[in-house]
Amino acid sequence: DARVTQTPRHKVTEMGQEVTMRCQPILGHNTVFWYRQTMMQGLELLAYFRNRAPLDDSGMPKDRFSAEMPDATLATLKIQPSEPRDSAVYFCASGLQGDSTEAFFGQGTRLTVV
Amino acid sequence: AQSVTQPDIHITVSEGASLELRCNYSYGATPYLFWYVQSPGQGLQLLLKYFSGDTLVQGIKGFEAEFKRSQSSFNLRKPSVHWSDAAEYFCAVSPRSNDYKLSFGAGTTVTVRA
Repeated sequence: DARVTQTPRHKVTEMGQEVTMRCQPILGHNTVFWYRQTMMQGLELLAYFRNRAPLDDSGMPKDRFSAEMPDATLATLKIQPSEPRDSAVYFCASGLQGDSTEAFFGQGTRLTVV
Repeated sequence: AQSVTQPDIHITVSEGASLELRCNYSYGATPYLFWYVQSPGQGLQLLLKYFSGDTLVQGIKGFEAEFKRSQSSFNLRKPSVHWSDAAEYFCAVSPRSNDYKLSFGAGTTVTVRA
């Protein structure tokens, strides 16, 4: 059963701490998205990668956020330092370019910064 | 500017009644169109998608959507809702290019009453 796996599912951290969220895309998928969901802003695209290269990270605050794909099986989203306004659910999704463009979503990481 | 609008924030419907969720888009050219569903605490699941061809698209869980180019709309329908259809529904669009990043509407929350 192929699925996108995100860890951790929940994270509570203190303001100023570093937070790393991980995503394992579906094997064979070459595109990975990071979305942030909040009540106020809804679903926002933070960044996305194709074949491990960042294509667009314009939605991501550059001063504190960074996204990488160390290899094809792992995508990371890091916040350093974290702030209370970063509290949200962060979703990773993966897809295969050219194959119906469907994006498969993970279950998300619920981040609370206190 | 490109945008996706879901005019209804919240809809309440009786079990067994029909459901229609509205989605309008503003794009330079007809984009790819999607409907996703999100159950509480879960990620997003694709219900259906439109790329071309028949403007009435069938999806999973008994849902269908109709693309109307003249109205720039892609409304989602279900003839008879079940209590398990209570969830949040998102309309999404993606440009017809190699750059298929999804942009989401604000979502419509559906409550099903017995």
